[in-house]
Amino acid sequence: EAGVAQSPRYKIIEKRQSVAFWCNPISGHATLYWYQQILGQGPKLLIQFQNNGVVDDSQLPKDRFSAERLKGVDSTLKIQPAKLEDSAVYLCASSRAGSSSYEQYFGPGTRLTVT
Amino acid sequence: AQSVTQLGSHVSVSEGALVLLRCNYSSSVPPYLFWYVQYPNQGLQLLLKYTTGATLVKGINGFEAEFKKSETSFHLTKPSAHMSDAAEYFCAVSPYSSASKIIFGSGTRLSIRP
Repeated sequence: EAGVAQSPRYKIIEKRQSVAFWCNPISGHATLYWYQQILGQGPKLLIQFQNNGVVDDSQLPKDRFSAERLKGVDSTLKIQPAKLEDSAVYLCASSRAGSSSYEQYFGPGTRLTVT
Repeated sequence: AQSVTQLGSHVSVSEGALVLLRCNYSSSVPPYLFWYVQYPNQGLQLLLKYTTGATLVKGINGFEAEFKKSETSFHLTKPSAHMSDAAEYFCAVSPYSSASKIIFGSGTRLSIRP
């Protein structure tokens, strides 16, 4: 089966600009996650979707970050306006619903550099 | 609240030597425990997981980990290191009551000396 797809792989923007990332999860996976991984740290959950509904967005900086999963399949994460501290790798992951929900499959990530 | 502590941000071993990466967790409820590996410019890949049952779990690429409840530890080992094992390793915890919520440690970079 195809893995989690993400694009773009790399993005360089200036501070105060906006940027969007796209993720297509594994087919049939109901749950989708966006993580932020700052250099030297472990991934931190930004938002979790179950189908097209938000389960957890408690760590999403809502003044500048937004995410949607309109049809319960692919998802976009947007940052507007970007700050220097947003430089990180943004990872998308997906999992099945139910008893196997803990097993998450990760995409390759988008490396964002804000200058 | 759950948390994970990985001892040592960088571990270096010789090829063929034992690999030991340390992980301690805190959890108010019985946890699920995981080790993930991340190769350069790639996403995370699940190495192994503990949910219930046998406390010694075997994963891919010859790695294994043992859940020790009394020590709140879940250390990762491999008897003989290979050059291809060089990567970043993340220990993670998830409360089984909210199985899809995973909290990651800060990672340990494993280097292999020829």
